[in-house]
Amino acid sequence: GEDVEQSLFLSVREGDSSVINCTYTDSSSTYLYWYKQEPGAGLQLLTYIFSNMDMKQDQRLTVLLNKKDKHLSLRIADTQTGDSAIYFCAERGDNQGGKLIFGQGTELSVKP
Amino acid sequence: KAGVTQTPRYLIKTRGQQVTLSCSPISGHRSVSWYQQTPGQGLQFLFEYFSETQRNKGNFPGRFSGRQFSNSRSEMNVSTLELGDSALYLCASSLGPSAEAFFGQGTRLTVV
Repeated sequence: GEDVEQSLFLSVREGDSSVINCTYTDSSSTYLYWYKQEPGAGLQLLTYIFSNMDMKQDQRLTVLLNKKDKHLSLRIADTQTGDSAIYFCAERGDNQGGKLIFGQGTELSVKP
Repeated sequence: KAGVTQTPRYLIKTRGQQVTLSCSPISGHRSVSWYQQTPGQGLQFLFEYFSETQRNKGNFPGRFSGRQFSNSRSEMNVSTLELGDSALYLCASSLGPSAEAFFGQGTRLTVV
């Protein structure tokens, strides 16, 4: 069935790079997304990658996709304290319309 | 351009009551999806509407229902509330079912 897995916690120092990892099981995934959630807020779409791409870069964010291993990662360069939040990986399978399957979320803590 | 608007932001209800939550999508967006977020289960898909038709439904009991109006606004209803229905309910809108989804701030429902 569909399943998305993420590690629960990540702690980094301000200025370092953060790498958040995600694995998924649905081989028919067409789009993979990264969302950010700050306390008491909704989900903010950060970036997404189509399944026929290997990499996408958007300012400080780099998404890497290994379709063979069903592994997705989000790298945040020069991590700032304002990046502290929960990051969710989500996938949308073929013929699933708008239905997103989310991972459990990775809580990123950035220490000064 | 206004984002996704969910009302109310907070709600307290008693077991056995029913509740209606509202979602106004981004102007021009015709697809609306609903998700339930709880600490234990994470983010789970409830249902998706496009052009007033339910396209997809998650694995929730029949107490959970929804609808979409001709102006794309959507409501979800939960009848006979249970303590376990306490959650953050998130609405997402997109241009269409296959487009990227943008989330509202959510409605925090507490059942006592």
